[in-house]
Amino acid sequence: DAGVIQSPRHEVTEMGQEVTLRCKLISGHNSLFWYRQTMMRGLELLIYFNNNVPIDDSGMPEDRFSAKMPNASFSTLKIQPSEPRDSAVYFCASSLTWNTEAFFGQGTRLTVV
Amino acid sequence: KQEVTQIPAALSVPEGENLVLNCSFTDSAIYNLQWFRQDPGKGLTSLLLIQSSQREQTSGRLNASLDKSSGRSTLYIAASQPGDSATYLCAASPGNQFYFGTGTSLTVIP
Repeated sequence: DAGVIQSPRHEVTEMGQEVTLRCKLISGHNSLFWYRQTMMRGLELLIYFNNNVPIDDSGMPEDRFSAKMPNASFSTLKIQPSEPRDSAVYFCASSLTWNTEAFFGQGTRLTVV
Repeated sequence: KQEVTQIPAALSVPEGENLVLNCSFTDSAIYNLQWFRQDPGKGLTSLLLIQSSQREQTSGRLNASLDKSSGRSTLYIAASQPGDSATYLCAASPGNQFYFGTGTSLTVIP
């Protein structure tokens, strides 16, 4: 398996534009996590899915952020409209179940100008 | 909310030394604790996962221990090498997410 695959690796966009980040889980994994990493706040959980169902989205900053799992192997994180303070590295991670080893993708570095 | 602390924030050692990285967490009700490595501009690489029922895990030159009652975990790296230079993160999980520490930046000097 190629591991967790994220795209794009880098995204530069203007304030107000819509941004969509993509994540392909490891085959057979049932849990998906979206994290955001910044120098100031470190790694923060945004949302967690189990078996395609959002379990905890309390970390989603505000209504501008939304995440979906249209199928068991794919997820998107959308920001609309984007703001400069959204600039960060966004990681998705998957695990076999909710309490097993988590594997991270390489991240998407988002810059909103 | 679980708070995870890693000390020191940065560590520099000469090649060949054995070293210990520390991780402490405030809530002992965890299912597991995972150690990761992050290289600059890269994602997180899983190193070791310790289940709450375990006291330690070993992989090669790495050994991680877990003491739930005291809220502590350590990552021991034997015979350090320049290639070990990276940021090491620990993450405690109550079962539905991982709470991360801010990491220890390790530099191994040749």
